[in-house]
Amino acid sequence: DGGITQSPKYLFRKEGQNVTLSCEQNLNHDAMYWYRQDPGQGLRLIYYSQIVNDFQKGDIAEGYSVSREKKESFPLTVTSAQKNPTAFYLCASSTRTGGANYGYTFGSGTRLTVV
Amino acid sequence: AQRVTQPEKLLSVFKGAPVELKCNYSYSGSPELFWYVQYSRQRLQLLLRHISRESIKGFTADLNKGETSFHLKKPFAQEEDSAMYYCALQSFQKLVFGTGTRLLVSP
Repeated sequence: DGGITQSPKYLFRKEGQNVTLSCEQNLNHDAMYWYRQDPGQGLRLIYYSQIVNDFQKGDIAEGYSVSREKKESFPLTVTSAQKNPTAFYLCASSTRTGGANYGYTFGSGTRLTVV
Repeated sequence: AQRVTQPEKLLSVFKGAPVELKCNYSYSGSPELFWYVQYSRQRLQLLLRHISRESIKGFTADLNKGETSFHLKKPFAQEEDSAMYYCALQSFQKLVFGTGTRLLVSP
């Protein structure tokens, strides 16, 4: 069954801790993305990666880091430098087949809470 | 700058009434636009793409370049249409999302 798997579903972080959110896809998609979803603010792009070993900052990258060592995996680390990390985090992937854009496939999300 | 505006946070209608969720965009090139939907306790999923000019679950959306709009319409709303709807613009290598409109369809 192809798709994107995000884990864990819920994550609690203490002040000053780094935490890593997992995102794995078996869709053979080249591109992967991390968005943050807050009420009333929609989805804001944190980081994205078009190919392995390459990634770019999105609109709100401060306090976050990523890696893309494998095509299937795009983990997101929320560092202690992120001042307001409590949010719902969504991972997505996409591909262009024959030049056509078929949109993104999203994971089920990780809800991060600072305690 | 690329931007997507959804002016309504909440749209409440009765079952059988027409629905129009508004979306306006700003983009200097030729836009690729999408509507995504998030039902309660489900993943965000693609509803439709402007380029395919399709109708999904009775919804349609027409790109109006003159008004820079991509409004989502359905002639007769159903209770199962209640969800969060996001308009999105493909900008270079990434999607830019609007802030979303919650559609509530009452019986």
